[in-house]
Amino acid sequence: DGGITQSPKYLFRKEGQNVTLSCEQNLNHDAMYWYRQDPGQGLRLIYYSQIVNDFQKGDIAEGYSVSREKKESFPLTVTSAQKNPTAFYLCASSLGTVPNQPQHFGDGTRLSIL
Amino acid sequence: QKEVEQDPGPLSVPEGAIVSLNCTYSNSAFQYFMWYRQYSRKGPELLMYTYSSGNKEDGRFTAQVDKSSKYISLFIRDSQPSDSATYLCAMSAVGKTSYDKVIFGPGTSLSVIP
Repeated sequence: DGGITQSPKYLFRKEGQNVTLSCEQNLNHDAMYWYRQDPGQGLRLIYYSQIVNDFQKGDIAEGYSVSREKKESFPLTVTSAQKNPTAFYLCASSLGTVPNQPQHFGDGTRLSIL
Repeated sequence: QKEVEQDPGPLSVPEGAIVSLNCTYSNSAFQYFMWYRQYSRKGPELLMYTYSSGNKEDGRFTAQVDKSSKYISLFIRDSQPSDSATYLCAMSAVGKTSYDKVIFGPGTSLSVIP
């Protein structure tokens, strides 16, 4: 079955540590996205990528980094510069970034601070 | 004023009831409207996707868009306990750039009581 796989489901970060969240899709989608979900707030866009080897900052990119070396993969690194990283992180993909291509989501990674 | 507002609930209804979930928005440029269902500790799942004004029906679900009032609704008929989840509205514009980000509401938590 086609879909988006995020791993791990739960992740713990120590102070000063960088951690990487994995996102893989087998939907042959061109566009991929990372969102952060906090209680009582809408999803906030961290980064998005429309094609391989290209990505753009979203609304809250500070303290995060991404890469897009393969069409199927869009890993997110939460760096030590992100002072409030505790959240539910969601990866999404769509066939394109034009509005008539809805986004489909993975099942998320919950990141907590040790 | 937030771009998209949604009553967070929680909303509790008896099984078999008709449920009405609503969002209001401020940006008149929004043309594409979506409803996602999110179960606890899972990613959002696309339920309905509509363009511009009007109604769209899919099984027990009906999405309604009133652009003149900047108001969208999701109706669930014959609600079931399996409908218990958080419902997110989302919308995007058709802009001049190649990508117009999707704006998500914070979600309404629904419980359907057997």
